[in-house]
Amino acid sequence: QLQLQESGPGLVKPSKTLSLTCTVSGGSISSSSHYWGWIRQSPGKGLKWIGSIYYSGSTYYNPSLKSRVTISVDTSKNQFSLKLSSVTAADTAVYYCARHGPVSAAAGYFDSWGQGTLVTVSS
Amino acid sequence: SYELTQPPSVSVSPGQTASITCSGDKLGNKYACWYQQRPGQSPVVVIYQDNKRPSGIPERFSGSNSGNTATLTITGPQAWDEADYYCQAWDTSTAIFGGGTKLTVL
Repeated sequence: QLQLQESGPGLVKPSKTLSLTCTVSGGSISSSSHYWGWIRQSPGKGLKWIGSIYYSGSTYYNPSLKSRVTISVDTSKNQFSLKLSSVTAADTAVYYCARHGPVSAAAGYFDSWGQGTLVTVSS
Repeated sequence: SYELTQPPSVSVSPGQTASITCSGDKLGNKYACWYQQRPGQSPVVVIYQDNKRPSGIPERFSGSNSGNTATLTITGPQAWDEADYYCQAWDTSTAIFGGGTKLTVL
C-alpha cells in the first residue's frame, strides 16, 4: 500500500527558507502514471496547492507562490522535496505531500496523501 | 485567476439528502473531484472524474458536474460523514481547491 511521509523542521524563522521532504514507500516515484504534489492548509483554513513534479523533473507551480517555490525529485531515494523561500507568518500551515494523476486529466485527482506536517514560521 | 466557490456550511438530518455545490466558470468543461477531511486527518477523495467513487467509498456519495456547477450529494448521511468537503479541479495546469464546506449532520 502506498504511503507518503513528510519530514522537515517544524519551526522556521521569518525570511528563511522552508524545506520539506516527502518519502514515498510501497510504490515507485518513477511511475509514469503519477505526479507528486505539495498542498498546504493554514490553521482553520482551506487547502491550497503549492506545486507538483513528475519523476522526470517537470514541474508545475501555483502562480501565486511560483517566485518562492522550488520542487525537486530524487528518484534514487524515492523522495521529492519542497523549498519555499522568504517565508513569513502567512506561510504557517500544515504541509501535505500527495500523489495525483496527469494534470488536467480525468485521473488528475489526489489519491494518496501524507499525514501532513505543521510548519510554524516564527522568530 | 480561476476560483471555485462553495457554501461555508451545510446542515442535514440523517434521513435526508445533503447537496454541496461547487461553482466555477465553465466548470462542467473540466473534471471535478471531491475530498472529505475529518478533523485532524488528511483529505480523502470521495468522488473523482465528476461522478466516480473510489473503492471503499459508500454508495451514498455521488457527484455530478454540468454548466458552472459541480455537486456532491450524500444520500442518507451518517454521523461520521460530518466533515469538511472540498471540491477541486485543474485550470491551466494549476490545481484549484474550493474554499470548503463544513457538513453538519444534525
